[in-house]
Amino acid sequence: DQQVKQNSPSLSVQEGRISILNCDYTNSMFDYFLWYKKYPAEGPTFLISISSIKDKNEDGRFTVFLNKSAKHLSLHIVPSQPGDSAVYFCAASATTQGGSEKLVFGKGTKLTVNP
Amino acid sequence: EAGVVQSPRYKIIEKKQPVAFWCNPISGHNTLYWYLQNLGQGPELLIRYENEEAVDDSQLPKDRFSAERLKGVDSTLKIQPAELGDSAVYLCASSRRDGEETQYFGPGTRLLVL
Repeated sequence: DQQVKQNSPSLSVQEGRISILNCDYTNSMFDYFLWYKKYPAEGPTFLISISSIKDKNEDGRFTVFLNKSAKHLSLHIVPSQPGDSAVYFCAASATTQGGSEKLVFGKGTKLTVNP
Repeated sequence: EAGVVQSPRYKIIEKKQPVAFWCNPISGHNTLYWYLQNLGQGPELLIRYENEEAVDDSQLPKDRFSAERLKGVDSTLKIQPAELGDSAVYLCASSRRDGEETQYFGPGTRLLVL
C-alpha cells in the first residue's frame, strides 16, 4: 500500500515556464513533507520542506503548497531552467512522541526542462 | 561542510558472495539511516540509528543483512550472502537528531549481483 503517491512518472516543460509536480498521500498522521531532487548517479538532494501547520513555503524559484483536506501537495518551479531537469521525490513523515518517524517516499517524477 | 560520504560507489559481485558498504555521516549528525532504492522506486528505509543504537530495524532482512555503528559515527551495512534481488542502490543519510526531519543523503553505492 503506497502511502505517498506521485502519479506522473514524467513531466516535460519549456524553459522559462512553470513546472508543477504533484504528490498525494493517504496517511493522515503525516505532518512534515519534503521534496528531494535527484540527478543520475547521485543521492537525493534536499530541496524544500513544509510543515502541516503551513499551507505554503517558498524558497526562491521553488514553492511548495500543502492542501491537508485533500491530502495533496505540489511543488512549483518558476521559472523552470534546464538545470532543473532531474527526478523529484516527494517524501512525508509523521512526528510521534519519540520523535520523527521514517521518511516515506513516492516513486518520483522525472522532470525535463527543454531549452 | 562535507556531505555524507559513502564507499564504494559501485560494486559488482557474484551471488552468494558477501559485500559491505561504508558510510560517514555529516559531522555532528547523530542520526544515521540506510535506505534501499530499487530502479524506478523511491528510497525505502532499512535501518535507523540514533548514535550507536539501532532504533528502527524493522525493515532490515535480518537473515542476510546486518549493520553496525559501533562508535556512533561511521556505519557499515553488510549483506551475506548476496542474492540476485539485492541489486539496487544503497543510500546512507544523516540528520542532526531524531526528530530533525531533514535528512541529507550520500551519493549511494550501486550494487550489481551477478
